[in-house]
Amino acid sequence: DIVMTQSPDSLAVSLGERATINCKSSQSVLYSSNNKNYLAWYQQKPGQPPKLVIYWASIRESGVPDRFSGSGSGTDFTLTINSLQAEDVAVYYCQQHYSSPHTFGQGTKLEIK
Amino acid sequence: EVQLLESGGGVVQPGGSLRLSCAASGFTFSSYAMNWVRLAPGKGLEWVSGISDNGRRTVYADSVKGRFTISRDNSKNTLYLQMNSLRAEDTAVYYCAKDQWLDGAFDIWGQGTMVTVSS
Repeated sequence: DIVMTQSPDSLAVSLGERATINCKSSQSVLYSSNNKNYLAWYQQKPGQPPKLVIYWASIRESGVPDRFSGSGSGTDFTLTINSLQAEDVAVYYCQQHYSSPHTFGQGTKLEIK
Repeated sequence: EVQLLESGGGVVQPGGSLRLSCAASGFTFSSYAMNWVRLAPGKGLEWVSGISDNGRRTVYADSVKGRFTISRDNSKNTLYLQMNSLRAEDTAVYYCAKDQWLDGAFDIWGQGTMVTVSS
């Protein structure tokens, strides 16, 4: 199974500043035939289901604000939230959908400083 | 509106069984693979099981293999999870989630249904 490891486990950032969350996979999730990374990011707020934010490592899901961006390839990925807003407080998860089981990272709790 | 609605959660004793359902609407259910994902108290998301669009291919997490069975009825636009031999560690909110496309990310999620395994 592919193990997904996020860092940090928790993060406190001031409003208007940048938040950066990292995700590392135990093996590459880059599919060579289409050159796509099978890596997604989800946002989960308390009492709500997860929401897809980024797919294929860097593509924003429809309706997601452009302050959210994803980068990386192979085994190392980053979710960046520019100009942090109060509504961005949540737990963020990375997930690989390259192979079953489609494992998630342990989550990163993002709070306001 | 694209929607997934889970039902069937509740309190069950260890060793007991429960069947979860997920009713889909607003999209062509039979064209998409589907999944179950759970969130245990104080823990992170755990993918539990997935099923192909036609139901012929199923996959499971090691933690539930041999105890849980995923299935679907495309004529009823409904996904199921039969859970047997339940353990305390199966206590969680269970979400159904739709694949964007073949081997895609999970773009639509239900609100979840709570399963509590306790004596």
